[in-house]
Amino acid sequence: AQSVTQPDIHITVSEGASLELRCNYSYGATPYLFWYVQSPGQGLQLLLKYFSGDTLVQGIKGFEAEFKRSQSSFNLRKPSVHWSDAAEYFCAVTGGYQKVTFGIGTKLQVIP
Amino acid sequence: NAGVTQTPKFQVLKTGQSMTLQCAQDMNHEYMSWYRQDPGMGLRLIHYSVGAGITDQGEVPNGYNVSRSTTEDFPLRLLSAAPSQTSVYFCASTGSEPNQPQHFGDGTRLSIL
Repeated sequence: AQSVTQPDIHITVSEGASLELRCNYSYGATPYLFWYVQSPGQGLQLLLKYFSGDTLVQGIKGFEAEFKRSQSSFNLRKPSVHWSDAAEYFCAVTGGYQKVTFGIGTKLQVIP
Repeated sequence: NAGVTQTPKFQVLKTGQSMTLQCAQDMNHEYMSWYRQDPGMGLRLIHYSVGAGITDQGEVPNGYNVSRSTTEDFPLRLLSAAPSQTSVYFCASTGSEPNQPQHFGDGTRLSIL
């Protein structure tokens, strides 16, 4: 069965500092991987996705993620965090269509 | 472009009452899903549909019914609400290719007393 682990439930960073959110997945074949962001009271919005090709993918709002098959990881990074990045971030994996499995989320707090 | 629209945004029910959460999408997506979001548990799939007339169970289907009579609409029914169904419910839709992301509504916050 597919699964996603986000080991950090809550992360606090200072504005301007770099950020890395961890995601490890379990899937038997080549996965489709996603990162979503959720602001309070809102639905989830896609940040970026990986399904093939270059293992470093760029997303919206200056985020990027790197797919590492050997480590079953898909970590999300941003070189300089802005106060508006404070939100909850979800990693997700699927082999296709509706069988999408989400991680439990990482809540990001940004300190001025 | 409205995307995925969920109604109502908030609802309070008493135990045993029934209600329907509405979800509509205007992107002509074949695939639609219902999730519930609970603290510390991420999003869990309740039911999904791969097209009009076709539905299937997800991870936590008990206590919920769905139907899909049109491409646009995918309502979720609670037949007899229980306090354990207090949650935030999200509807999502996606296209037919597996690498396409889910498009989410803004959610329905449901409290069962």
